[in-house]
Order: sequence, then C-alpha cells, then structure tokens
Amino acid sequence: EIVLTQSPGTLSLSPGERATLSCRASQSVISNYLAWYQQKPGQAPRLLIYGASSRATGIPDRFSGSGSGTDFTLTISRLEPEDFAVYYCQQYGSSPGTFGQGTKVEIK
Amino acid sequence: EVQLVESGGGLVKPGGSLRLSCAASGFTFSSYTMNWVRQAPGKGLEWVSSISSSSSYIYYADSVQGRFTISRDNAKNSLYLQMNSLRAEDTAVYYCARDLGDYVGLGYFDYWGQGTLVTVSP
Repeated sequence: EIVLTQSPGTLSLSPGERATLSCRASQSVISNYLAWYQQKPGQAPRLLIYGASSRATGIPDRFSGSGSGTDFTLTISRLEPEDFAVYYCQQYGSSPGTFGQGTKVEIK
Repeated sequence: EVQLVESGGGLVKPGGSLRLSCAASGFTFSSYTMNWVRQAPGKGLEWVSSISSSSSYIYYADSVQGRFTISRDNAKNSLYLQMNSLRAEDTAVYYCARDLGDYVGLGYFDYWGQGTLVTVSP
C-alpha cells in the first residue's frame, strides 16, 4: 500500500499569501494519478485537482497542482478567506487508493 | 444538480449490523462506479469499497473485507453498504462518492454526499 505523507501538518498564513502544500508518496504514483481535496468543518470533501495538475470543474485558477513520481504540490496562489480548510491528497494509481493525513491551512 | 444523500447511520453495539443507503439524483447513476469512503472522528479519509456501474466488479479495503457488502440498485438510483460484525474502529462518518477513475477500485471522487455517522459503542 502506498503511504502518502503530507507536510506541513498545519500552515498558518494570512489572506492574500501563497500556500504551498506537499504530498510525498512512499512509492511512485502510477500515471501521476494524484488528486487533491479540500474539506471544511462539517462538510464533505471537495475535489480540487486530479491527475496531479488538472483542475476540477468550477475550481478557481488560484489552485494549481504539480509534481510527478513521488513528490506532489498543491499551490494556492493568493489565499481567500474561504480557502482556510484541511487539504488531503489521494493516490489512485495503485490498489488500494490511499489518502494523506491532511494539511490544515489556518488563518495567522 | 448532482445530489448524493446518505442515510441509515446510528448507534450500534459491537458485533451488530447496520445498512447504509445513498440516494443519487441529477446524473445517470447507472453509468458510474460508486464508492464508500469513511472518516473517523477528527481523522483523515479512508476508502472503504467500490462497485462498478453494473455491479460486475466490487472491491473492499482489507479493514472491512468479509464484514461489509456493497451493492447497488440502478433502477432505484441507490447505493448500499451492509455492515456486519461492527467494531469500535468502524466508528466514522460514511460518505458515498461518485467515481471518475479509469479503473474500478482506483478512482478519484468528484461528488460526495453529506455523510452519515456510524457509532459503534457498548
């Protein structure tokens, strides 16, 4: 099973700042099948990025994904108030699909 | 508008059973692989099970294999999860999720329900 390690655990930033979230896989992710989700308290996760770098429908272009192999990054270019949440990466290239433990982006 | 609405959660004793349902609307349910994903209180996400559009392919996480059964009724636009021999560690919010992956059991999820809480406790 591929283990995904997200860092940092918590990111304290101010609105308008740039957020860089990391997701490292214990083995290479096949075909860069890596997704990112956003989850706010009491809500279901929301798909942001799939295939490492493709934005899901309706996702603002301030969200971008990059990376390949074992190292992936989610970047939020300028944080909006509604972006403060927990972010999860997920690999779906090897069975079973697995999630990272999450990175919380909080208001500084 | 795509909607997924889970129901059936509740409090159950260890060793007990529960059946979750997920009612789908706003899309052609019979064309999509569907999944159950769970989240223990204050914890991360864990994929539980996948079922292909025609029920031909079914996969489970090792943690639930042999205890949980996923099924669907395309005529009723509904997804189910029969949970038997429940344990304390099965306590979680259970989400149903629509799959956009290329392979059953290896997908990413574009729509999620609001979740239903299952609590396993004496």
